[in-house]
This record gives sequence, C-alpha cells and structure tokens, in this order.
Amino acid sequence: GQQLNQSPQSMFIQEGEDVSMNCTSSSIFNTWLWYKQDPGEGPVLLIALYKAGELTSNGRLTAQFGITRKDSFLNISASIPSDVGIYFCAGSISGTYKYIFGTGTRLKVLA
Amino acid sequence: DAGVTQSPTHLIKTRGQHVTLRCSPISGHKSVSWYQQVLGQGPQFIFQYYEKEERGRGNFPDRFSARQFPNYSSELNVNALLLGDSALYLCASSLGLAEDTQYFGPGTRLTVL
Repeated sequence: GQQLNQSPQSMFIQEGEDVSMNCTSSSIFNTWLWYKQDPGEGPVLLIALYKAGELTSNGRLTAQFGITRKDSFLNISASIPSDVGIYFCAGSISGTYKYIFGTGTRLKVLA
Repeated sequence: DAGVTQSPTHLIKTRGQHVTLRCSPISGHKSVSWYQQVLGQGPQFIFQYYEKEERGRGNFPDRFSARQFPNYSSELNVNALLLGDSALYLCASSLGLAEDTQYFGPGTRLTVL
C-alpha cells in the first residue's frame, strides 16, 4: 500500500535530548497530522496542521507544515521516558477522502 | 465525552470465515473511516463513510465491505478471510469529510488461523 517516507526509521536518545523527525511526499497535501501509537493501541493525535508554513506547538512538541506542502516536521524537546513509542505522520490530498500514513519513527528514550 | 469505541477488542477466526467489526464515533461526528494496520507498518486506508454513504475506498478487494447506520456507527465486514487479513483494524472518527482531523479508536486485533 501507499505510504509516506518518514525518517529516521528508529532512534535511541538520552532523556533530556531533543528529537527531530520528518515526513516527505511526492504529492501535495492539504492537511498534515502527527500521531503517537503505543503497542497494541490506536494512534493518538498529537498535532494537526492545515496551512503551508504553519508552525504549531503542543507542550514539548512542535510541528511544521512544509512550505512546498510536500513535507512536515515534528520536534520533541527535552525528551522523557514516556515519549517512547511509534510516531506517524499522515497527509491528506484534497478531494481524495483518505489519509496516507508514513512508515513510522520508532523512538526509544534511555533514562 | 467518550472517544471512539470499537468492538470486539480481539478476535480469532479461521481461513474462509466471515468477520464483522463495529465502531461508534465521537458524539457529533458524522464521518467514520476504517484502516488496516499490519505489524510494523502504518495504517492503510480501507473506507470512509459520511452521512451513511461511501465517500472513499482504498485498494482492498471486494471481500471488504462496510456500512454506516443512521446513528453514524459503522460496521466493517470481511468475507472469506485469508491469513493475510490478520491485522489491527482501526476506526477513525471525524466531524466531516477527509480533511477534518481524524481521531482513532483502540482498534480490533484480528488473527486469522
């Protein structure tokens, strides 16, 4: 199935470090969503982006809608152990009535 | 307010059987989307329903079907189950159509033996 390119695929970081991940597409998207998923559970919405260039924060999380509308970025500042999980981006192309998800970034935080 | 609910939580079936999964959206939401997530991958879009009509369909065989009821709850049906249908099936709720923010339920874990 169709998936967006998301990087890095996985990362180990020390507690307190900042984390950056991104998502790229060959298509232009009208909406970008970022989710976190714990094993065996459904994705939980973190941030929603609706306009090119938009920068939105949710606590220690900050996400940006790329100017080209083909990419998006998520940053986590001062990571803590509970940030462990899989982070997914999802983009929606106008008129297609569906979201396409990224391949996921697996984050592990070392205390 | 209750979030998206799905039932059952887990299900074990054998090849060739049929399965029905259920979803109740967030109160006030009129759109339900279904996704399949196999282990190690991101969710793949199956269907979107809005106001009881199918508004989008992903690249899945005709063995997969769905419907939405007047109270906006939804069912996903899969016929003639294959081993490859084993996955986490996720339901997402949104106010309107595709570009509205989607909120996911906990999923139904289907295992086909």
